[in-house]
Amino acid sequence: TQLLEQSPQFLSIQEGENLTVYCNSSSVFSSLQWYRQEPGEGPVLLVTVVTGGEVKKLKRLTFQFGDARKDSSLHITAAQPGDTGLYLCAGAWRSSYKLIFGSGTRLLVRP
Amino acid sequence: GAVVSQHPSWVICKSGTSVKIECRSLDFQATTMFWYRQFPKQSLMLMATSNEGSKATYEQGVEKDKFLINHASLTLSTLTVTSAHPEDSSFYICSAPLAGAETQYFGPGTRLLVL
Repeated sequence: TQLLEQSPQFLSIQEGENLTVYCNSSSVFSSLQWYRQEPGEGPVLLVTVVTGGEVKKLKRLTFQFGDARKDSSLHITAAQPGDTGLYLCAGAWRSSYKLIFGSGTRLLVRP
Repeated sequence: GAVVSQHPSWVICKSGTSVKIECRSLDFQATTMFWYRQFPKQSLMLMATSNEGSKATYEQGVEKDKFLINHASLTLSTLTVTSAHPEDSSFYICSAPLAGAETQYFGPGTRLLVL
């Protein structure tokens, strides 16, 4: 059973479109992180959200942490082929530094 | 940013042999490191927490006698897959947090293929 569920699992869109990826859990986390992973490489951290209701922007990417710190979303505006990859959310607990990863969303942006 | 390396980056071995994978924090000390396994088209699954100077903590369902973890120094953790079988073929990734921070830095991964 996946503690963190991501949706959709797979998304294929045209360049220029917008998209939102959701990360949901029944657990409360002290922080939630978003990563992007390319094939054959380790995940690369995009952002960490800590405060309930927090919104962070990274160029065309907007991240939001739910008020109850159980869920998060990633919104990409005007997607580009370079955004293609596996997007992973991960919940962390301050007490253990352990990261639990979501099920992943595979994004394909077609030129 | 902090850098974590893994060695080797890929390995092919025969069934029944043991394989050691190293994880190093290059510019910071890590009393704790984490080992993950990732099967094709799946997410990362936490296998165990490696603790410097003490025993590793394994996640439910992970055999500690099969996946031996040694954290001998503040910059090195090793994962040994003992008596490897084809079903152990996977992408193994380690990570290390900076002290006092929840942010973790990931290694580039080691791809293991057991024939």
